Amino acid sequence: AQRVTQPEKLLSVFKGAPVELKCNYSYSGSPELFWYVQYSRQRLQLLLRHISRESIKGFTADLNKGETSFHLKKPFAQEEDSAMYYCALTSFSGGYNKLIFGAGTRLAVHP
Amino acid sequence: EAQVTQNPRYLITVTGKKLTVTCSQNMNHEYMSWYRQDPGLGLRQIYYSMNVEVTDKGDVPEGYKVSRKEKRNFPLILESPSPNQTSLYFCASSLNSYTGELFFGEGSRLTVL
Repeated sequence: AQRVTQPEKLLSVFKGAPVELKCNYSYSGSPELFWYVQYSRQRLQLLLRHISRESIKGFTADLNKGETSFHLKKPFAQEEDSAMYYCALTSFSGGYNKLIFGAGTRLAVHP
Repeated sequence: EAQVTQNPRYLITVTGKKLTVTCSQNMNHEYMSWYRQDPGLGLRQIYYSMNVEVTDKGDVPEGYKVSRKEKRNFPLILESPSPNQTSLYFCASSLNSYTGELFFGEGSRLTVL
């Protein structure tokens, strides 16, 4: 079954420290993977997708098919990065792409 | 402003009292979906709609109904709410069912006593 696992409920770091939010997936085909972010008092929004291979707000994520991982990384965390982060993959089923979310990781960046 | 709007944002109700959470998008999106968010479980899909008059069950549809009579609106109906439906609900839309980029509403926090 298709599944997204985010093993950490909470990740707490100090400002300027590197950040890695872990995401592992299980999917039988070629997945499309995404990171969504929800800042305090804001709606959930797309942060980045693996096919774009871009860096958004200093964050990058590389799809590792061998390890079935899509970890989100940032070399130097900022306080404004504090938010809830969700990893998601699209699963083509029943004629459409269904988005499956992980349980989320709360990132807390301390001054 | 392009957005997804949900109402009400907060609601406390009692078991068995029918309620509707409205969702409207102004982006002419074909695809709309409802999720519930519970601690430790992430977002789980309740129902989705690929276009007007086309709806289908997601992963946790029990106790919910939806309708899609117009492209912009996708209300979530709880005919007889129960305490286990206490949750944070999100409506989302996307251009079509093939893109993974969803646009989310601000969420509706529902408490069923």
